[in-house]
Amino acid sequence: EVQLVESGGGLVQPGESLRLSCVDSGFTFSTYWMSWVRQAPGKGLEWVANIKQDGSEKYYVDSVKGRFTISRDNAKNSLYLQMNSLRAEDTAVYYCATEFRGYWGQGTLVTVSS
Amino acid sequence: QAVVTQEPSLTVSPGGTVTLTCGSSTGTVTSGHYPYWFQQKPGQAPRTLIYDTSTKHSWTPARFSGSLLGDKAALTLSGAQPEDEAEYYCLLSYGGVRVFGGGTKVTVL
Repeated sequence: EVQLVESGGGLVQPGESLRLSCVDSGFTFSTYWMSWVRQAPGKGLEWVANIKQDGSEKYYVDSVKGRFTISRDNAKNSLYLQMNSLRAEDTAVYYCATEFRGYWGQGTLVTVSS
Repeated sequence: QAVVTQEPSLTVSPGGTVTLTCGSSTGTVTSGHYPYWFQQKPGQAPRTLIYDTSTKHSWTPARFSGSLLGDKAALTLSGAQPEDEAEYYCLLSYGGVRVFGGGTKVTVL
């Protein structure tokens, strides 16, 4: 059974940075594309970024390009999202998800506020 | 970036049938967009119901089915149950980029 657990969320001020992590404990992590998806309070789902199995391809939604970086460490079954220059509009629950069959974690809350 | 459109809200009677659609601003939705459908209930993480147009997860109730309908992807709920009341999102792939629809609030009433 796939199990994804996100961590690293919290309260930060505008302009600050945060690094999210997602650890998989249930499947062959290195064989699938992985995504980060976010959901602002009371809003819909927004795809943020994804990364190929070997990290050679990465894609981002326009609103985070140049500020967020997705990466992975297959040896640690881990996915990361480095978020820099955070803005109030980045406030959301951030989910990691597999791009094969769509397994999701429970999410971690990021709040950007002064 | 492409825009993916869904009905904002739909109502279905218990035991009834409802079809949700997922359209693309770029034109016809095909299997090459690898349509996904997710269900989300308040306070919960999303759950994948359908992937690759019509493939169900082991936990997907048989009353849900995915298809291509005209120029859109579709999720059909046949025999709606009270527990199916939720928000439903579709996701389409455009090369490496993914785009969610705005979601459809389904009320079972």
